[in-house]
Amino acid sequence: DAGVIQSPRHEVTEMGQEVTLRCKPISGHDYLFWYRQTMMRGLELLIYFNNNVPIDDSGMPEDRFSAKMPNASFSTLKIQPSEPRDSAVYFCASSPRGRKETQYFGPGTRLLVL
Amino acid sequence: AQSVTQPDIHITVSEGASLELRCNYSYGATPYLFWYVQSPGQGLQLLLKYFSGDTLVQGIKGFEAEFKRSQSSFNLRKPSVHWSDAAEYFCAVGAKTSYDKVIFGPGTSLSVIP
Repeated sequence: DAGVIQSPRHEVTEMGQEVTLRCKPISGHDYLFWYRQTMMRGLELLIYFNNNVPIDDSGMPEDRFSAKMPNASFSTLKIQPSEPRDSAVYFCASSPRGRKETQYFGPGTRLLVL
Repeated sequence: AQSVTQPDIHITVSEGASLELRCNYSYGATPYLFWYVQSPGQGLQLLLKYFSGDTLVQGIKGFEAEFKRSQSSFNLRKPSVHWSDAAEYFCAVGAKTSYDKVIFGPGTSLSVIP
């Protein structure tokens, strides 16, 4: 069974540009999480969804960040406009029904904003 | 509030030597506890988890961890380290309530000397 799939794996963009990160969770999983990992702040939860509905977005840094989950097999994290301080590795994770805390991570998207 | 500390930022061991990575948590009740491993350029992989029952938990790749309630600890151990174990290790704590997040520790970087 395929794990969590993220695209692109690497993204380099210029400040002010829009960035869209994509995630396909494990089939049958009800929860989807977006994390950001930096050296300074470690692993931070940005937002998570349950059955495609955003449950907690308190970790989203500011209005420049938005996330959607239009269906059970796809989610996007968008940054508009991007800034150099957004440079980080962004992970998507999913977990099965009844086991929200047991998360399976994707390989991450390494974002560099110049 | 939940919190996780990993006192050792970086550990170096010789191949074949035993390993213990420390993790301490703060939580008002018995939490769910996890260890994840992150190889360079990869996502986090779940090594093992503790929910309840036997306090000694076996995981993948020969790892085990012991939950000690009196010490609020969940240390990770391996009797004989292999060079391929060099990675970043994260301890995490989650709550049994559906509205609590999983909190990750800052990580311990493991280097293995041949």
